Amino acid sequence: AQSVTQPDIHITVSEGASLELRCNYSYGATPYLFWYVQSPGQGLQLLLKYFSGDTLVQGIKGFEAEFKRSQSSFNLRKPSVHWSDAAEYFCAVGARGGGSNYKLTFGKGTLLTVNP
Amino acid sequence: EPEVTQTPSHQVTQMGQEVILRCVPISNHLYFYWYRQILGQKVEFLVSFYNNEISEKSEIFDDQFSVERPDGSNFTLKIRSTKLEDSAMYFCASRLAGGPYEQYFGPGTRLTVT
Repeated sequence: AQSVTQPDIHITVSEGASLELRCNYSYGATPYLFWYVQSPGQGLQLLLKYFSGDTLVQGIKGFEAEFKRSQSSFNLRKPSVHWSDAAEYFCAVGARGGGSNYKLTFGKGTLLTVNP
Repeated sequence: EPEVTQTPSHQVTQMGQEVILRCVPISNHLYFYWYRQILGQKVEFLVSFYNNEISEKSEIFDDQFSVERPDGSNFTLKIRSTKLEDSAMYFCASRLAGGPYEQYFGPGTRLTVT
């Protein structure tokens, strides 16, 4: 069965600093990979996705992630963090079912705090 | 920008009562999903729905749960007889058919069973 590990439960960075959130997955085939962000009281907003092709994917709000098959990783990066990036970040893998259907398996999330 | 909506935002119910959680997916989406997140735990898949039938369900989705698309816009999750352990945030998601395409999530309904 597929699984996702986010090793860091809580990360604190200073505004303007770079950010990397780690994600490792376990899945028997080429995965669909996603990063979602959740602000307090809000739903899950998609930051970026990987389905196939270029292993470096760009997302919204200046985020990017790189799929590394050899390391089973899909780490999220941002060169300069803004105070508004404070939120909880979830990595997810899409496990394919029949046809084009897939279900998401999520990691436990990483809570990001941004210091001024 | 189109978005998934869910009502109510918060529902409190007594153990043993039936609850219906409602979702309005994005209008041209054809795949619909329910996920839940128990406080402090991971977001978990419950069920996917396509072409008016369940396409996949998890072990959590037992006979107490059912889903329905009663009309062209709503997608509902019914819990027949709620238990304390059903207390969670329930998220609806939808996506386009074919693809692959990403899933778009609603803001969630917080269900509290007392």
